Amino acid sequence: AQSVTQLGSHVSVSEGALVLLRCNYSSSVPPYLFWYVQYPNQGLQLLLKYTSAATLVKGINGFEAEFKKSETSFHLTKPSAHMSDAAEYFCAVSERGGGFKTIFGAGTRLFVKA
Amino acid sequence: GAVVSQHPSWVICKSGTSVKIECRSLDFQATTMFWYRQFPKQSLMLMATSNEGSKATYEQGVEKDKFLINHASLTLSTLTVTSAHPEDSSFYICSAISPGGYNEQFFGPGTRLTVL
Repeated sequence: AQSVTQLGSHVSVSEGALVLLRCNYSSSVPPYLFWYVQYPNQGLQLLLKYTSAATLVKGINGFEAEFKKSETSFHLTKPSAHMSDAAEYFCAVSERGGGFKTIFGAGTRLFVKA
Repeated sequence: GAVVSQHPSWVICKSGTSVKIECRSLDFQATTMFWYRQFPKQSLMLMATSNEGSKATYEQGVEKDKFLINHASLTLSTLTVTSAHPEDSSFYICSAISPGGYNEQFFGPGTRLTVL
């Protein structure tokens, strides 16, 4: 069975500082992995996805994530936080060949301080 | 990128009435759509998988007679909350599977339902 764990329900950084949001997954087969962002009262927007082409995945708005099979991790990073990055971030896992069902993590709220 | 719309964006209704929420894929055909429910400050809870031309698949614990799903065309899925009660108040989000593969989903903007 698949599962996703996001470490830290809240993360606070200063503007210009490194953003690191942690995600660990569990899957019996190589998964697809995603990071989504949600702004208040809105749907989710895809930041990036891992599909096995490359372990370091670059996404929109300067975000990137690295797939580490040995650590079963897919942490999201951004070198320099911007005030507009303040939002809720969800890590998600979907099983290859197992239908389209996607499991979402509990989410991490990112706060950016001026 | 592909766009998914939802209508209405918010709705307030009286207890006992039914509410229909529409989810449309605007520029692509979606054979599979999903309906999620999200409580404040919580993650998305999958309610059901909607497949065009067939019955929806509901997750365990979701009342299929309460939450009616119809996926009548390749671009439209509807969720009807029947005999709504205050505990049904929530943020409902739909998504559609991307035609590009990899199980990527495109999400609608969500519908805020408040039942008085």
